[in-house]
Amino acid sequence: GQNIDQPTEMTATEGAIVQINCTYQTSGFNGLFWYQQHAGEAPTFLSYNVLDGLEEKGRFSSFLSRSKGYSYLLLKELQMKDSASYLCAVMDSNYQLIWGAGTKLIIKP
Amino acid sequence: NAGVTQTPKFRILKIGQSMTLQCTQDMNHNYMYWYRQDPGMGLKLIYYSVGAGITDKGEVPNGYNVSRSTTEDFPLRLELAAPSQTSVYFCASRGAGEANEQFFGPGTRLTVL
Repeated sequence: GQNIDQPTEMTATEGAIVQINCTYQTSGFNGLFWYQQHAGEAPTFLSYNVLDGLEEKGRFSSFLSRSKGYSYLLLKELQMKDSASYLCAVMDSNYQLIWGAGTKLIIKP
Repeated sequence: NAGVTQTPKFRILKIGQSMTLQCTQDMNHNYMYWYRQDPGMGLKLIYYSVGAGITDKGEVPNGYNVSRSTTEDFPLRLELAAPSQTSVYFCASRGAGEANEQFFGPGTRLTVL
């Protein structure tokens, strides 16, 4: 079967760095996406990785290792507005997104 | 551009009632999707469409139907609502190319009592 695993919840301090991990087992791989979802709102796109390595975009970076079925999202200089759920999704061989349950990130002052 | 719009935002149905969730996008995207999101669960694909006149089942299609008569519109029909269909429903669209992100509508919060 297809499976995406991420931690259910993480807590971090304002100004710090946090790494949210995602492991996956899917039928085929055509890229991995990270989305941010604030409570009561729709998901919004953060990043896309299809090749191994690190993609950096401002305070957010995303890493992919296809051989290990592993990705992480790194958030630097955390701000209170970063409190949200972070969703990992893999595009499978049918070009459909398989979604993880999301990691709820709580930022404390 | 309005992006992806959904109506209604909230709805309460009685068991056995029917309704249509509306979804419209103005980005000329070929690909459109309907998801449901239950608390603590990932998004589950209900139906998707790769273009006008073409629809296909996703992971959880039972109890739902869709149509795609135009590029812009992708309504989701619930027939004989059941409490198990209580959820938040999101419509999404994307352009051609697998690297393209999906853009989501604001969601419809549906309760079936």
